[in-house]
Amino acid sequence: DTGVSQDPRHKITKRGQNVTFRCDPISEHNRLYWYRQTLGQGPEFLTYFQNEAQLEKSRLLSDRFSAERPKGSFSTLEIQRTEQGDSAMYLCASSLGQGAGANVLTFGAGSRLTVL
Amino acid sequence: GENVEQHPSTLSVQEGDSAVIKCTYSDSASNYFPWYKQELGKRPQLIIDIRSNVGEKKDQRIAVTLNKTAKHFSLHITETQPEDSAVYFCAASLGTASKLTFGTGTRLQVTL
Repeated sequence: DTGVSQDPRHKITKRGQNVTFRCDPISEHNRLYWYRQTLGQGPEFLTYFQNEAQLEKSRLLSDRFSAERPKGSFSTLEIQRTEQGDSAMYLCASSLGQGAGANVLTFGAGSRLTVL
Repeated sequence: GENVEQHPSTLSVQEGDSAVIKCTYSDSASNYFPWYKQELGKRPQLIIDIRSNVGEKKDQRIAVTLNKTAKHFSLHITETQPEDSAVYFCAASLGTASKLTFGTGTRLQVTL
């Protein structure tokens, strides 16, 4: 297990198309987070899962965004009807589910989305 | 919700000098404060963190201080080296059941 993996690393799409990103967390980590990062800004929280349960969603996560973690392992983030404002780096992170390590996040390399 | 402010947005120091980055948070119940380093084009990586029951923590050239009364915490890097050049983010969270809220970042440049 070499860390948090994200795929694809880069995605260029036309406005209106749907895109899906995948995240594979560190295997023993129960928690999985999605963040969005735009140029010059810090990561902004989108949503997080504890095992397969989606525990919190940000107001940033409009109804065009949906995230799943069906078996409590990998997760997908889908953006429907993409808009130019969706262009950003989408970061996935994972952490242990409890104890002192519960909010020690390990980030993936991110999936960069460009909407033309 | 929690709001984290970070200053300065850019910081340039000469190699060997110290660098200090400051953050304030809004929710007095927040109790976990990590610092992440992000090099250009790479993922954020945790460099040090502090919990609210501790006032200061050191790890070699890096230290973090926390003032719970004033709701601010700071990152101190001593004897800076060119490889310290990166963007640094502070963050805060409300217990282990909560997500991290990040500051806007500080771009640190260490010049020779």
